[in-house]
Amino acid sequence: QKEVEQNSGPLSVPEGAIASLNCTYSDRGSQSFFWYRQYSGKSPELIMSIYSNGDKEDGRFTAQLNKASQYVSLLIRDSQPSDSATYLCAVNRRDDKIIFGKGTRLHILP
Amino acid sequence: EPEVTQTPSHQVTQMGQEVILRCVPISNHLYFYWYRQILGQKVEFLVSFYNNEISEKSEIFDDQFSVERPDGSNFTLKIRSTKLEDSAMYFCASSGGLGGSNTGELFFGEGSRLTVL
Repeated sequence: QKEVEQNSGPLSVPEGAIASLNCTYSDRGSQSFFWYRQYSGKSPELIMSIYSNGDKEDGRFTAQLNKASQYVSLLIRDSQPSDSATYLCAVNRRDDKIIFGKGTRLHILP
Repeated sequence: EPEVTQTPSHQVTQMGQEVILRCVPISNHLYFYWYRQILGQKVEFLVSFYNNEISEKSEIFDDQFSVERPDGSNFTLKIRSTKLEDSAMYFCASSGGLGGSNTGELFFGEGSRLTVL
Protein backbone atom coordinates (compact mmCIF):
# COMPACT_ATOMS: atom_id res chain seq x y z
CA GLN A 1 0.00 0.00 0.00
CA LYS A 2 1.39 3.38 -0.99
CA GLU A 3 1.96 5.76 1.89
CA VAL A 4 0.26 8.76 0.28
CA GLU A 5 -2.07 8.26 -2.66
CA GLN A 6 -3.48 10.78 -5.07
CA ASN A 7 -5.15 10.54 -8.46
CA SER A 8 -2.59 11.68 -11.00
CA GLY A 9 -5.19 13.43 -13.18
CA PRO A 10 -5.27 15.54 -15.16
CA LEU A 11 -8.27 17.11 -13.52
CA SER A 12 -9.86 19.69 -15.81
CA VAL A 13 -12.05 22.35 -14.20
CA PRO A 14 -13.68 25.37 -15.86
CA GLU A 15 -12.51 28.78 -14.74
CA GLY A 16 -14.57 30.04 -11.82
CA ALA A 17 -15.64 26.56 -10.71
CA ILE A 18 -14.55 24.60 -7.62
CA ALA A 19 -11.63 22.22 -7.97
CA SER A 20 -11.62 19.27 -5.56
CA LEU A 21 -8.41 17.36 -4.91
CA ASN A 22 -8.20 14.25 -2.78
CA CYS A 23 -5.54 12.31 -0.92
CA THR A 24 -5.46 9.21 1.26
CA TYR A 25 -2.67 8.05 3.54
CA SER A 26 -1.78 4.73 5.09
CA ASP A 27 -0.13 5.54 8.45
CA ARG A 28 -2.94 6.03 10.95
CA GLY A 29 -0.54 7.69 13.39
CA SER A 30 0.27 10.54 11.00
CA GLN A 31 0.01 13.86 12.69
CA SER A 32 0.09 16.69 10.19
CA PHE A 33 -0.95 17.16 6.61
CA PHE A 34 -0.03 19.58 3.89
CA TRP A 35 -0.90 20.69 0.40
CA TYR A 36 1.77 22.01 -1.92
CA ARG A 37 1.54 23.47 -5.38
CA GLN A 38 4.25 22.74 -7.93
CA TYR A 39 4.46 24.52 -11.25
CA SER A 40 6.34 22.72 -14.00
CA GLY A 41 10.10 23.04 -13.48
CA LYS A 42 9.70 24.74 -10.11
CA SER A 43 9.97 23.69 -6.49
CA PRO A 44 6.95 22.81 -4.33
CA GLU A 45 5.28 25.73 -2.57
CA LEU A 46 3.27 25.31 0.62
CA ILE A 47 -0.40 26.23 0.28
CA MET A 48 -2.06 24.83 3.39
CA SER A 49 -1.31 22.86 6.51
CA ILE A 50 -3.93 21.09 8.61
CA TYR A 51 -3.41 19.32 11.91
CA SER A 52 -6.86 18.44 13.27
CA ASN A 53 -10.07 17.00 11.91
CA GLY A 54 -12.40 19.35 10.11
CA ASP A 55 -12.03 22.22 7.70
CA LYS A 56 -9.45 24.95 7.48
CA GLU A 57 -10.00 27.89 5.16
CA ASP A 58 -7.46 30.33 3.74
CA GLY A 59 -8.73 32.63 1.03
CA ARG A 60 -9.96 30.55 -1.91
CA PHE A 61 -8.48 27.36 -0.42
CA THR A 62 -10.12 24.98 2.04
CA ALA A 63 -8.34 21.93 3.41
CA GLN A 64 -10.39 19.12 4.93
CA LEU A 65 -9.08 16.35 7.17
CA ASN A 66 -10.78 13.16 8.30
CA LYS A 67 -8.34 11.08 10.34
CA ALA A 68 -10.81 8.23 10.84
CA SER A 69 -11.02 7.78 7.07
CA GLN A 70 -7.35 8.71 6.56
CA TYR A 71 -8.42 11.25 4.01
CA VAL A 72 -7.33 14.79 3.20
CA SER A 73 -8.81 17.06 0.56
CA LEU A 74 -8.23 20.50 -0.91
CA LEU A 75 -10.96 22.65 -2.40
CA ILE A 76 -10.08 25.58 -4.61
CA ARG A 77 -12.96 28.01 -5.09
CA ASP A 78 -13.29 30.39 -8.03
CA SER A 79 -10.54 28.54 -9.91
CA GLN A 80 -8.20 30.72 -11.96
CA PRO A 81 -5.94 29.77 -14.89
CA SER A 82 -2.98 30.52 -12.60
CA ASP A 83 -4.14 27.62 -10.39
CA SER A 84 -3.12 25.21 -13.16
CA ALA A 85 -0.31 23.20 -11.58
CA THR A 86 0.41 19.89 -9.88
CA TYR A 87 -0.93 19.69 -6.34
CA LEU A 88 1.04 17.55 -3.91
CA CYS A 89 -0.36 16.08 -0.75
CA ALA A 90 2.22 15.54 2.00
CA VAL A 91 1.94 13.73 5.31
CA ASN A 92 4.15 14.06 8.37
CA ARG A 93 4.35 10.69 10.06
CA ARG A 94 5.12 10.40 13.73
CA ASP A 95 8.82 10.18 12.93
CA ASP A 96 9.11 13.54 11.13
CA LYS A 97 9.50 11.80 7.79
CA ILE A 98 7.38 13.95 5.51
CA ILE A 99 6.16 11.89 2.58
CA PHE A 100 4.66 13.24 -0.64
CA GLY A 101 2.08 11.77 -2.94
CA LYS A 102 2.67 11.67 -6.69
CA GLY A 103 0.51 14.74 -7.16
CA THR A 104 -2.62 15.61 -9.11
CA ARG A 105 -2.28 17.69 -12.26
CA LEU A 106 -4.95 20.39 -12.31
CA HIS A 107 -5.87 22.20 -15.51
CA ILE A 108 -8.16 25.21 -15.29
CA LEU A 109 -9.99 25.74 -18.55
CA PRO A 110 -10.36 29.45 -19.51
CA GLU B 1 11.05 37.32 2.75
CA PRO B 2 13.33 34.58 4.09
CA GLU B 3 14.12 31.86 1.59
CA VAL B 4 16.09 28.67 1.17
CA THR B 5 18.95 29.01 -1.29
CA GLN B 6 20.66 26.19 -3.15
CA THR B 7 23.82 25.97 -5.21
CA PRO B 8 24.61 25.03 -7.88
CA SER B 9 21.42 25.33 -9.88
CA HIS B 10 22.71 22.77 -12.36
CA GLN B 11 25.65 20.39 -12.19
CA VAL B 12 26.84 17.99 -14.84
CA THR B 13 29.20 15.25 -13.72
CA GLN B 14 30.71 12.01 -14.92
CA MET B 15 29.58 8.72 -13.44
CA GLY B 16 31.70 7.80 -10.45
CA GLN B 17 32.55 11.39 -9.51
CA GLU B 18 31.72 12.98 -6.16
CA VAL B 19 29.19 15.77 -6.02
CA ILE B 20 28.38 18.21 -3.22
CA LEU B 21 25.11 20.10 -3.27
CA ARG B 22 24.82 23.09 -0.99
CA CYS B 23 21.89 24.69 0.79
CA VAL B 24 21.38 27.62 3.09
CA PRO B 25 18.16 27.02 5.05
CA ILE B 26 16.00 29.77 6.52
CA SER B 27 17.99 31.17 9.41
CA ASN B 28 15.68 30.42 12.35
CA HIS B 29 14.59 27.00 11.10
CA LEU B 30 15.68 23.91 13.01
CA TYR B 31 14.76 21.01 10.72
CA PHE B 32 16.45 20.37 7.41
CA TYR B 33 15.64 18.01 4.59
CA TRP B 34 16.82 16.74 1.25
CA TYR B 35 14.39 15.46 -1.35
CA ARG B 36 14.90 14.42 -4.92
CA GLN B 37 12.59 14.41 -7.91
CA ILE B 38 13.41 12.42 -11.00
CA LEU B 39 11.89 14.07 -14.07
CA GLY B 40 8.16 13.41 -14.23
CA GLN B 41 8.11 11.49 -10.96
CA LYS B 42 7.20 12.16 -7.35
CA VAL B 43 9.10 14.18 -4.77
CA GLU B 44 11.01 11.52 -2.82
CA PHE B 45 12.22 11.88 0.77
CA LEU B 46 15.94 11.30 1.23
CA VAL B 47 16.88 12.48 4.70
CA SER B 48 15.89 14.73 7.59
CA PHE B 49 18.35 16.41 9.93
CA TYR B 50 17.81 17.94 13.34
CA ASN B 51 20.09 18.97 16.18
CA ASN B 52 23.19 18.18 14.12
CA GLU B 53 22.28 14.63 13.33
CA ILE B 54 20.22 12.60 10.91
CA SER B 55 16.73 12.04 12.32
CA GLU B 56 15.33 9.92 9.49
CA LYS B 57 16.55 8.57 6.18
CA SER B 58 14.96 6.63 3.36
CA GLU B 59 16.07 3.45 1.61
CA ILE B 60 17.41 5.64 -1.19
CA PHE B 61 19.85 7.30 1.22
CA ASP B 62 22.46 4.56 1.18
CA ASP B 63 26.16 4.66 2.00
CA GLN B 64 27.00 6.77 -1.04
CA PHE B 65 25.03 9.68 0.42
CA SER B 66 25.96 11.85 3.37
CA VAL B 67 24.80 15.13 4.85
CA GLU B 68 26.60 17.71 6.87
CA ARG B 69 25.99 21.02 8.54
CA PRO B 70 29.57 22.28 8.59
CA ASP B 71 28.75 25.67 10.10
CA GLY B 72 25.74 27.56 11.39
CA SER B 73 24.27 28.25 7.98
CA ASN B 74 25.13 25.65 5.34
CA PHE B 75 23.58 22.22 4.89
CA THR B 76 25.21 19.96 2.32
CA LEU B 77 24.39 16.73 0.53
CA LYS B 78 27.34 14.70 -0.74
CA ILE B 79 27.03 11.89 -3.26
CA ARG B 80 30.29 9.97 -3.15
CA SER B 81 30.28 8.06 -6.41
CA THR B 82 27.50 9.17 -8.71
CA LYS B 83 25.49 6.76 -10.84
CA LEU B 84 23.40 7.44 -13.91
CA GLU B 85 20.24 6.92 -11.86
CA ASP B 86 21.23 9.75 -9.50
CA SER B 87 20.27 12.21 -12.23
CA ALA B 88 17.43 14.21 -10.73
CA MET B 89 16.43 17.53 -9.22
CA TYR B 90 17.56 17.70 -5.61
CA PHE B 91 15.55 19.94 -3.32
CA CYS B 92 16.64 21.23 0.06
CA ALA B 93 13.89 22.23 2.48
CA SER B 94 13.69 23.55 6.01
CA SER B 95 10.97 23.89 8.60
CA GLY B 96 10.61 25.70 11.87
CA GLY B 97 9.66 24.60 15.33
CA LEU B 98 6.61 25.52 17.38
CA GLY B 99 6.28 24.67 21.04
CA GLY B 100 9.19 22.25 20.79
CA SER B 101 7.74 20.38 17.83
CA ASN B 102 8.37 20.45 14.10
CA THR B 103 5.64 22.34 12.26
CA GLY B 104 6.39 20.18 9.24
CA GLU B 105 5.76 23.16 6.98
CA LEU B 106 8.52 22.79 4.44
CA PHE B 107 10.03 25.71 2.60
CA PHE B 108 11.90 24.55 -0.47
CA GLY B 109 14.85 25.92 -2.32
CA GLU B 110 14.78 26.26 -6.10
CA GLY B 111 16.59 22.95 -6.48
CA SER B 112 19.88 21.70 -7.90
CA ARG B 113 19.58 19.76 -11.13
CA LEU B 114 22.15 16.95 -11.25
CA THR B 115 22.95 15.33 -14.57
CA VAL B 116 25.20 12.27 -14.45
CA LEU B 117 26.77 11.24 -17.75
